[in-house]
Amino acid sequence: DQQVKQNSPSLSVQEGRISILNCDYTNSMFDYFLWYKKYPAEGPTFLISISSIKDKNEDGRFTVFLNKSAKHLSLHIVPSQPGDSAVYFCAAWGSSGDKLTFGTGTRLAVRP
Amino acid sequence: EAGVAQSPRYKIIEKRQSVAFWCNPISGHATLYWYQQILGQGPKLLIQFQNNGVVDDSQLPKDRFSAERLKGVDSTLKIQPAKLEDSAVYLCASSPSSAGASYNEQFFGPGTRLTVL
Repeated sequence: DQQVKQNSPSLSVQEGRISILNCDYTNSMFDYFLWYKKYPAEGPTFLISISSIKDKNEDGRFTVFLNKSAKHLSLHIVPSQPGDSAVYFCAAWGSSGDKLTFGTGTRLAVRP
Repeated sequence: EAGVAQSPRYKIIEKRQSVAFWCNPISGHATLYWYQQILGQGPKLLIQFQNNGVVDDSQLPKDRFSAERLKGVDSTLKIQPAKLEDSAVYLCASSPSSAGASYNEQFFGPGTRLTVL
């Protein structure tokens, strides 16, 4: 049962343009949604989060949007930079203790 | 502040052998997690410790996997005997607080890549 889904395994974007990564979830009990970024041979690092009571959270070039009625969230990166090239995981928290439920990840490639 | 440390970084074993991974969380972090990340998938929680007690091990294959966190600091995860499908990256994470009403950021180590031949 995949409660958090990232349907796009990869995305390629030109430097300076917007990157939009999408995530869908099925469990309406999640309290927080998070995006993690992962470089090869490193562990995931926290990028940005949003509470289920908000619909937008912005941090510099990164903005996360939450649409609860559609059970959908997205991460916008503007402008995209080559250093943003990584695998991005969507994760959700709160339906069951401290457990994070991760999506399968989207590999972002930002072309110079 | 030092991050989450894991060793070894890479391990290759044959099926039916045993293997152990070690994790040292960030100092003062009460909660420690072990995740399994199979290629092409997201990390999946295997076990969560609160200090030296187990909070959640519902997805740990207990017939072959075991974990302990003696003294509530570092932790070891063991697989005995290993199967081909255990090939994955094993990630350790820690967070500063106990289970509660709000999310506490989890900090991940670099992981141990296990290959079972």
